[in-house]
Amino acid sequence: AVQLVESGGGLVQPKESLKISCAASGFTFSNAAMYWVRQAPGKGLEWVARIRTKPNNYATYYADSVKGRFTISRDDSKSMVYLQMDNLKTEDTAMYYCTAGLGLDYWGQGVMVTVSS
Amino acid sequence: DVVMTQTPPSLSVAIGQSVSISCKSSQSLVYSDGKTYLHWLLQSSGRSPKRLIYQVSNLDSGVPDRFSGTGSQKDFTLKISRVEAKDLGVYYCAQTTHFPYTFGAGTKLELK
Repeated sequence: AVQLVESGGGLVQPKESLKISCAASGFTFSNAAMYWVRQAPGKGLEWVARIRTKPNNYATYYADSVKGRFTISRDDSKSMVYLQMDNLKTEDTAMYYCTAGLGLDYWGQGVMVTVSS
Repeated sequence: DVVMTQTPPSLSVAIGQSVSISCKSSQSLVYSDGKTYLHWLLQSSGRSPKRLIYQVSNLDSGVPDRFSGTGSQKDFTLKISRVEAKDLGVYYCAQTTHFPYTFGAGTKLELK
């Protein structure tokens, strides 16, 4: 069965950095585009970042709200995807979900990131 | 960005009733390959979202046929027949045709 397990969340202060991870299993990770989607408390879903596959040069894409501050990466040898978040703002407080598949096929359980002083 | 307008924001339903949720996009969701990347997700209370329907009308594995999706271009509908208690939660439409991917604001389905 497909599994996506996020980790690394926590409480940080504004302007600090945090790196969250997602461990994937149950599918051919190297063939899958991977995404991060977030959900602020009590709010809807917001797509954050995308990373394509090796044949597509691991191209990355970001929402305007995080461009220049967040970096998505992947390690196909470990079936892992990461989100490095720098210069965090209070408005980045959210549950962060790792998703796989062009049609948002699979979702992890999420990891909470809280940015507060 | 493509704006996804989902209505109604909430629905109160009795078990066994049927309901419909509308999702309208600000642009056509037909991709250059001819396919329409409009999907429906359900987020049950305290859980992560789970996809129910992909590309307008295709049910994901394990999703009962009480669920159906229809529509084209910019106008889409999710119908749930004979609602059961396990259907309760927030339904989102999502498009993955255009970047950035965008979601509707959600429709909360609750018991009357």
